[in-house]
Amino acid sequence: NAGVTQTPKFQVLKTGQSMTLQCAQDMNHNSMYWYRQDPGMGLRLIYYSASEGTTDKGEVPNGYNVSRLNKREFSLRLESAAPSQTSVYFCASSELTGLLEKLFFGSGTQLSVL
Amino acid sequence: KNEVEQSPQNLTAQEGEFITINCSYSVGISALHWLQQHPGGGIVSLFMLSSGKKKHGRLIATINIQEKHSSLHITASHPRDSAVYICAVKGTGNQFYFGTGTSLTVIP
Repeated sequence: NAGVTQTPKFQVLKTGQSMTLQCAQDMNHNSMYWYRQDPGMGLRLIYYSASEGTTDKGEVPNGYNVSRLNKREFSLRLESAAPSQTSVYFCASSELTGLLEKLFFGSGTQLSVL
Repeated sequence: KNEVEQSPQNLTAQEGEFITINCSYSVGISALHWLQQHPGGGIVSLFMLSSGKKKHGRLIATINIQEKHSSLHITASHPRDSAVYICAVKGTGNQFYFGTGTSLTVIP
């Protein structure tokens, strides 16, 4: 089991460039998430997907789009990168086990926008 | 306003010391998670609990639902415990709320 696989690990973009962060999980989870982590702040939700074909905005969705084409994969796209999007991005998935929901994280993507 | 507050923000301990990290939350929750983030960034789930106490090796997590408070204890701390510990709660909706983390350094 690979768990949650996230690529790339590092990326440097120039302002205005676009890119897609890829995320895949092999645990058959319905729920998937994209978070960003900034110094001094907790993980903040960008977008959430409760199941294949559905997505919902989180706390900080502006400047991002997502795609949940199938149960495994949940991608995050920056159409026109801005320096404010410099951050560490984490994909996560969750599984409801009984009454409790367990979280699994990808290894993170460190993104710098110059 | 943060839904989840952790204390302390930073903690330095000598190897062997007993460590406590605290988490208070302000929302109704279905579960609370303790996560560990090592240098290099990966985040792993340590505990998931909705009541009482859980123990895994030298780690103990407790939660008091009435007081909206949880603690993570590390007994006989070791340098390999050095990491950022993050408290997260699952609200009554679909959203997780995260604390800003406690950075722990254990000195040999």
